[in-house]
Amino acid sequence: QVQLVQSGAEVKKPGASVKVSCKASGYTFTRYYMHWVRQAPGQGLEWMGIINPSGSSTTYAQKFEGRVTMTRDTSTSTDYMELSSLRSEDTAVYYCARDNSAGSGWWFDPWGQGTLVTVSS
Amino acid sequence: SSELTQDPAVSVALGQTVRITCQGDSLRSYYASWYQQKPGQAPILVIYAKNNRPSGIPDRFSGSSSGNTASLTITGAQAEDEADYYCNSRDSSGDHWVFGGGTKLTVL
Repeated sequence: QVQLVQSGAEVKKPGASVKVSCKASGYTFTRYYMHWVRQAPGQGLEWMGIINPSGSSTTYAQKFEGRVTMTRDTSTSTDYMELSSLRSEDTAVYYCARDNSAGSGWWFDPWGQGTLVTVSS
Repeated sequence: SSELTQDPAVSVALGQTVRITCQGDSLRSYYASWYQQKPGQAPILVIYAKNNRPSGIPDRFSGSSSGNTASLTITGAQAEDEADYYCNSRDSSGDHWVFGGGTKLTVL
């Protein structure tokens, strides 16, 4: 079955970087884009960005430009999201979600289980 | 601020019908997708491409769209439908995606 499995929880100090992984299985990895979404405690979902199937192109939400880097290792079917210059407001659950599209519709399915990143001194 | 606007909270009596709406200019060009999220869980897709349900989603969930408004309707709400619901679409520029602020559904 199609599945996304993310890396485990992280605790980081302010100013540090974190790299979250998302390993895909059950489908042809190089045929699909991947999104990253985060959710701060008690808050809504926030789109962070997307990486293309080959890993050669990314688009980031303006809010994260300059701080986020999304990469892909096609040999292991794994996507990565690295966020730098962490601050307390970056404490959140980070999700990867596969992109799907048809006509004028796009949707996220499936989702990874989420990775909690805690930023604390 | 989100480019997609949802009511923060909606309630429905058990077995009744409820509609959750999502407004935004980009919905005139792109279909919304809808996600259900229960506490401590990852979101799951419930409606995509206007009114399509993934396998495993009950047929009491349906979607519709008119102008700048997309709607998720639950016909005969069940206790297990109590959750947060989020809409999503591409933004007005078409270059990014955006989520609505979410609607907390309470089943009374």
